[in-house]
Amino acid sequence: ETGVTQTPRHLVMGMTNKKSLKCEQHLGHNAMYWYKQSAKKPLELMFVYSLEERVENNSVPSRFSPECPNSSHLFLHLHTLQPEDSALYLCASSQWSGQGHRDTQYFGPGTRLTVL
Amino acid sequence: TQLLEQSPQFLSIQEGENLTVYCNSSSVFSSLQWYRQEPGEGPVLLVTVVTGGEVKKLKRLTFQFGDARKDSSLHITAAQPGDTGLYLCAGAFDYKLSFGAGTTVTVRA
Repeated sequence: ETGVTQTPRHLVMGMTNKKSLKCEQHLGHNAMYWYKQSAKKPLELMFVYSLEERVENNSVPSRFSPECPNSSHLFLHLHTLQPEDSALYLCASSQWSGQGHRDTQYFGPGTRLTVL
Repeated sequence: TQLLEQSPQFLSIQEGENLTVYCNSSSVFSSLQWYRQEPGEGPVLLVTVVTGGEVKKLKRLTFQFGDARKDSSLHITAAQPGDTGLYLCAGAFDYKLSFGAGTTVTVRA
């Protein structure tokens, strides 16, 4: 199984639906991240988990709810989304060394989300 | 939030030509990373530069980190169609990465 996997790869949902994105890393890392990538905009860091504790929540609306049950799995629960939430959602993992700037992040292929 | 500006936004060249992509910021970063992202995939790390003035070479790709650690460049020599993709720079500040919006490079055969 390759490094970081994400499911589903594509998701179309209505504004009243509830869905979840899943990320799994097979690299033995202890930190995981959710990013949002919109067209022509920089990747936006949404959440960071280190050792299964959330260490970053970048003013993300409450309609996005992360969950990290263990160091290998990360979920993003979605509810009552807006059309402007349509984007590529990327998961990444790294080995938290304490020298953050040297920690290489490995990305999954992303989930392409469309909100109707 | 540390902002990184990449230029140009789009670059289309003929196979065999050279190209340079720039990444600039007003912030000083602990390190700077370059990624390449292909359609339908996540970014893949190409290189990390840490020391001001550092130059790293990866086959036909040359990466340079500015002396003040605020800017970087990526130079590709004799570009090939396989170099086509979105090139992203990311500056590391503590454990966070701040990304540029990317440069879309198209190499025509």
